[in-house]
Amino acid sequence: KQEVTQIPAALSVPEGENLVLNCSFTDSAIYNLQWFRQDPGKGLTSLLLIQSSQREQTSGRLNASLDKSSGRSTLYIAASQPGDSATYLCAVGGIQTGANNLFFGTGTRLTVIP
Amino acid sequence: GAGVSQSPSNKVTEKGKDVELRCDPISGHTALYWYRQRLGQGLEFLIYFQGNSAPDKSGLPSDRFSAERTGESVSTLTIQRTQQEDSAVYLCASSLGSGSHEQYFGPGTRLTVT
Repeated sequence: KQEVTQIPAALSVPEGENLVLNCSFTDSAIYNLQWFRQDPGKGLTSLLLIQSSQREQTSGRLNASLDKSSGRSTLYIAASQPGDSATYLCAVGGIQTGANNLFFGTGTRLTVIP
Repeated sequence: GAGVSQSPSNKVTEKGKDVELRCDPISGHTALYWYRQRLGQGLEFLIYFQGNSAPDKSGLPSDRFSAERTGESVSTLTIQRTQQEDSAVYLCASSLGSGSHEQYFGPGTRLTVT
């Protein structure tokens, strides 16, 4: 079974700092990898989707990389803002079942201090 | 257009009662997923529907859990004889199809079993 791990579990940074969130997965046979943010009391917001054939995706201040062979992904956030405070979830789409259900990590809780 | 919607947003029920949760996917999305997130844990896959194919029920934790979907529209997740360990946020997602498509999540239903 696919296992997804996110490190660190929690992170506090001052506003303006660049930061990196890490995700690792045990089975490299994946369709894709998605990064989400989750705000308290709200659903998940998709941030970036990287297909298995891609190495990275960028959206604004966010950049996500994927190294499928080593089972790792990073989410880089540039010039962090207080509004970036949320829990960030990494999820991999598995091809073992053929259904592409996502396997989630337990998240990194980010706090950006003004 | 409208995103994925779920109802109710919150549900409190007594142990042993049945509950029904509803998900309205994005129009045109053929794939629909149910996940649950128990306190302090990552999201767990429950069930997947793709068009008119037989659903993938491999994530359902017990036979008290069932789900239906009519065509490519609304889905209902039913939990019979609820137990306290069923307390969780139940999230629904939809995507354009199976494979490597991005999943879009609803706001979730918070279920509390007393």
